[in-house]
Amino acid sequence: EIQLQESGPGLVKPSQSLSLTCSVTGYTITSGYDWSWIRKFPGNKMEWMGYISNSGSTNYNPSLKIRISITRDTSKNQFFLQLNSVTTEDTATYYCARWPYYWGQGVMVTVSS
Amino acid sequence: DVVLTQTPPTLSATIGQSVSISCRSSQSLLHSNGNTYLNWLLQRPGQPPQLLIYLVSRLESGVPNRFSGSGSGTDFTLKISGVEAEDLGVYYCVQSTHAPRTFGGGTKLELK
Repeated sequence: EIQLQESGPGLVKPSQSLSLTCSVTGYTITSGYDWSWIRKFPGNKMEWMGYISNSGSTNYNPSLKIRISITRDTSKNQFFLQLNSVTTEDTATYYCARWPYYWGQGVMVTVSS
Repeated sequence: DVVLTQTPPTLSATIGQSVSISCRSSQSLLHSNGNTYLNWLLQRPGQPPQLLIYLVSRLESGVPNRFSGSGSGTDFTLKISGVEAEDLGVYYCVQSTHAPRTFGGGTKLELK
């Protein structure tokens, strides 16, 4: 059974970088599909942030394009999110997913000094 | 970006009642390849989103058949034929026909 698990700091200071890891078990990330990061803001608003494909190409939401980077470590079957220059508006629960079928449990990240 | 407008924002239902959620798109979601990439997700309290319906009307494996999806172009509907307690949560439509992928604002299903 495929499982995804996010990990990373729950608190980040404004202007710093947010870095999260998604560890995947039960499926090899180079075998197929795209591997996405999505976030849910306080309230109900959801935002798709971007993905890294099974071949390693990336696609980002233009609203984040200058701040976001998604990379991977195929030897560990993990992919990563880096979001630079964060503000309090980046406070959200961050999910990784094998779009659209399998999602991690999510990790809450607060941006605060 | 494609804007998905979900209505109603909140839905109160009794167990066994049938309900519908509407999702209207600012652009046609028909892809040039003939597919319409409109999905429905359910997020139960404290849980990650779960895929219910993909490609407008295809039921994801393991999802009860009281859930059904319909629509085309810019107008889509999720129907629950006989709400059960486990159906409570927030429903989202999401499109991936056009970049970037976008979500509707969500519909919260509550017990009346």
